[in-house]
Amino acid sequence: KNEVEQSPQNLTAQEGEFITINCSYSVGISALHWLQQHPGGGIVSLFMLSSGKKKHGRLIATINIQEKHSSLHITASHPRDSAVYICAVRNQGGSEKLVFGKGMKLTVNP
Amino acid sequence: NAGVMQNPRHLVRRRGQEARLRCSPMKGHSHVYWYRQLPEEGLKFMVYLQKENIIDESGMPKERFSAEFPKEGPSILRIQQVVRGDSAAYFCASSPFRPGTGAGANVLTFGAGSRLTVL
Repeated sequence: KNEVEQSPQNLTAQEGEFITINCSYSVGISALHWLQQHPGGGIVSLFMLSSGKKKHGRLIATINIQEKHSSLHITASHPRDSAVYICAVRNQGGSEKLVFGKGMKLTVNP
Repeated sequence: NAGVMQNPRHLVRRRGQEARLRCSPMKGHSHVYWYRQLPEEGLKFMVYLQKENIIDESGMPKERFSAEFPKEGPSILRIQQVVRGDSAAYFCASSPFRPGTGAGANVLTFGAGSRLTVL
């Protein structure tokens, strides 16, 4: 079992829909990252969370430390949101090593 | 302020040759991380470096791979005697300090990646 599990693996949505991407992890963490990888391959860091909730534009990220679960929400989705969304965690203990989920491929159709 | 610069973007090597991938961190960033993304797989941590120091190389294969981040110049990921299984995208990221410390939500900036193809 991977330390970081993402669901669903693929998602197709219509423009304007509210989208939720889930991430569960099995180890104690010091921080969780949400990353976005576009079809061209570049990676953008969206959020880094250690507790609670963060919002940036149409993106909202939440984390529940007790349940070892995080969600990334996209409101009013747009075709330009089509990308792979990757969850990554940094284990407790001071290591800088990130452990990545396999990513969720989102396609938003116009 | 340029972002993290990686070059080359694409590199083709024959088996047995050497591959050198370069990463120039963002201005003011002194921490560099290398990750590998194999085809159809997720990203995997390789190595974490600060200027002139390797801090964590637990994700580096034991042989043929090395990394450095000299006092001057870019960080280099070097793969000797490449094999077909080394074909992957190699991403570099940088941060101004350890990402778990200090202010700021998103302190990890990624480069566009270097795609290595071994023939």
